[in-house]
Amino acid sequence: KNQVEQSPQSLIILEGKNCTLQCNYTVSPFSNLRWYKQDTGRGPVSLTIMTFSENTKSNGRYTATLDADTKQSSLHITASQLSDSASYICVVTRYQKVTFGIGTKLQVIP
Amino acid sequence: DGGITQSPKYLFRKEGQNVTLSCEQNLNHDAMYWYRQDPGQGLRLIYYSQIVNDFQKGDIAEGYSVSREKKESFPLTVTSAQKNPTAFYLCASSIGATSWAGGDTQYFGPGTRLTVL
Repeated sequence: KNQVEQSPQSLIILEGKNCTLQCNYTVSPFSNLRWYKQDTGRGPVSLTIMTFSENTKSNGRYTATLDADTKQSSLHITASQLSDSASYICVVTRYQKVTFGIGTKLQVIP
Repeated sequence: DGGITQSPKYLFRKEGQNVTLSCEQNLNHDAMYWYRQDPGQGLRLIYYSQIVNDFQKGDIAEGYSVSREKKESFPLTVTSAQKNPTAFYLCASSIGATSWAGGDTQYFGPGTRLTVL
């Protein structure tokens, strides 16, 4: 069982709409939790990073939240754009051990 | 233009042949990493290097080899011993290996898609 599970696996939304992606993890304690955006056929690009003591972190239209009690993180995308179409990967680091989620594939359609 | 470059973008090889994937960075980072990405799985660490002339095995090192003769370069060789080499390979770097846990960012290259025929 993967220690970092993401849902949904895939999602289609209309341009301009908001969406929320989920990340549940069992890695504990952890050093930090990151969200990455990966365009098809490209390398991941960092969006946010949060330590266990942080509840929220924003990067433009992307806002990540963290609930350490329930071991859940969310990535909220506001006013989606076509360029948001990508996979979004949750990554949890415990000391030097890094665990990647499988990702949520988001498609934004006009 | 700073960053990480990987070449080639696409690579085709016959079964049983060794192949070397290139990774170069001009970010002056000490630590470099190789990951493998397969459909339906998260990225998995193959090898990492914290400093020149030193490298460590990751979670799935069998069938792979690396070298770190220069700070800027961390080539990965996929040997014939790797049973299922077809995958998307990603190289990354960070300021230091310990900085990954401390909050520094890993920067990824564009990837090389290897297909073994």
